[in-house]
Amino acid sequence: DAGITQSPRHKVTETGTPVTLRCHQTENHRYMYWYRQDPGHGLRLIHYSYGVKDTDKGEVSDGYSVSRSKTEDFLLTLESATSSQTSVYFCAIRVEGLNTEAFFGQGTRLTVV
Amino acid sequence: DAKTTQPPSMDCAEGRAANLPCNHSTISGNEYVYWYRQIHSQGPQYIIHGLKNNETNEMASLIITEDRKSSTLILPHATLRDTAVYYCIVYDYKLSFGAGTTVTVRA
Repeated sequence: DAGITQSPRHKVTETGTPVTLRCHQTENHRYMYWYRQDPGHGLRLIHYSYGVKDTDKGEVSDGYSVSRSKTEDFLLTLESATSSQTSVYFCAIRVEGLNTEAFFGQGTRLTVV
Repeated sequence: DAKTTQPPSMDCAEGRAANLPCNHSTISGNEYVYWYRQIHSQGPQYIIHGLKNNETNEMASLIITEDRKSSTLILPHATLRDTAVYYCIVYDYKLSFGAGTTVTVRA
């Protein structure tokens, strides 16, 4: 499983509450990614990181923030969760370079009620 | 901002070869083509990648045209377990996925 774990695996939260999802890796890979997946939309990139404290936005970053204070952890925060953020969230890791595969976590199913 | 175009769906008979096309007409010289698949609600799984030569591994073959503007993933003997969404992506640091092709293998 390439040493990547997501927590929690399932969460139900109320609208307006803050939520933080964690992606943890044991591989020391430089690149880490957060995606959301909704029916009919495939995987959409939220944010990614190319090193400690180095992050950038993806295509659906509104309403989300990220932090990476250590190589092994990439946190995704929903400051004030909305029902439209109900989704399955995937984290991925990848070593630097154009000839390297990515490894994905098992996903976090988040429901905002 | 995926750089690839794939058909939304395709069917395949069990035991037959499945040929999955992908267009990547804006690919640049040093960008690799990668294929992943996602079975049900699991995280995507790497299948194969290539730059300009054809590639084969235990899962699939990848054929890239000489101009590199398109490629085909070949599953040589599709099984029911190959039913999945298949993603073709051109690597950049953002690792952007498109909607992929939903492949249904029928008995």
